[in-house]
Amino acid sequence: EAQVTQNPRYLITVTGKKLTVTCSQNMNHEYMSWYRQDPGLGLRQIYYSMNVEVTDKGDVPEGYKVSRKEKRNFPLILESPSPNQTSLYFCASSSQGAANTGELFFGEGSRLTVL
Amino acid sequence: GQNIDQPTEMTATEGAIVQINCTYQTSGFNGLFWYQQHAGEAPTFLSYNVLDGLEEKGRFSSFLSRSKGYSYLLLKELQMKDSASYLCAVRASGGSWGKLQFGAGTQVVVTP
Repeated sequence: EAQVTQNPRYLITVTGKKLTVTCSQNMNHEYMSWYRQDPGLGLRQIYYSMNVEVTDKGDVPEGYKVSRKEKRNFPLILESPSPNQTSLYFCASSSQGAANTGELFFGEGSRLTVL
Repeated sequence: GQNIDQPTEMTATEGAIVQINCTYQTSGFNGLFWYQQHAGEAPTFLSYNVLDGLEEKGRFSSFLSRSKGYSYLLLKELQMKDSASYLCAVRASGGSWGKLQFGAGTQVVVTP
């Protein structure tokens, strides 16, 4: 089954404790991206990756890091989480071929609470 | 950057038609998407427009006018399961092709 898998789905942590949210897709997609969703603000792009070893900032990259060492994986790293990073996080991927619209396939989301 | 505006909430009756408008201001444009998101779930793709005009897909249609920075999503023959948030998203062009910005979403409430 084609899917985007995020882990953990739910996490409560404390300020300053480094954490990683993993994202893996099995569709051989070139493009992957991370979003956070907050009430009234919609989805905001954190980072995106056009392919392996190619990453770039979205609109809200501060406090986050990413890496793309393999095509299927795109982890989101919070080196020193703060309460304002409490949010619902979505990972998404898409194919970038000329015949594709580039529609995004989303993971189920990771709800993160930073105390 | 891009500003994307859509109404916060719309209410309509089962069987009716609802039109969700989306306006955007962009420094580069390479396509507009509509996604549906049910409460507690991930967004799912509905439509994509890159050229002006109407794209129809079953009960859902999406329209784009690039010169006006305007799109709408038309939901026909509304069903209770259509109650969801509808997200408009614009993809940048050129070197920022991977950038995608979403509007805040329009909550559609379908009543019996």
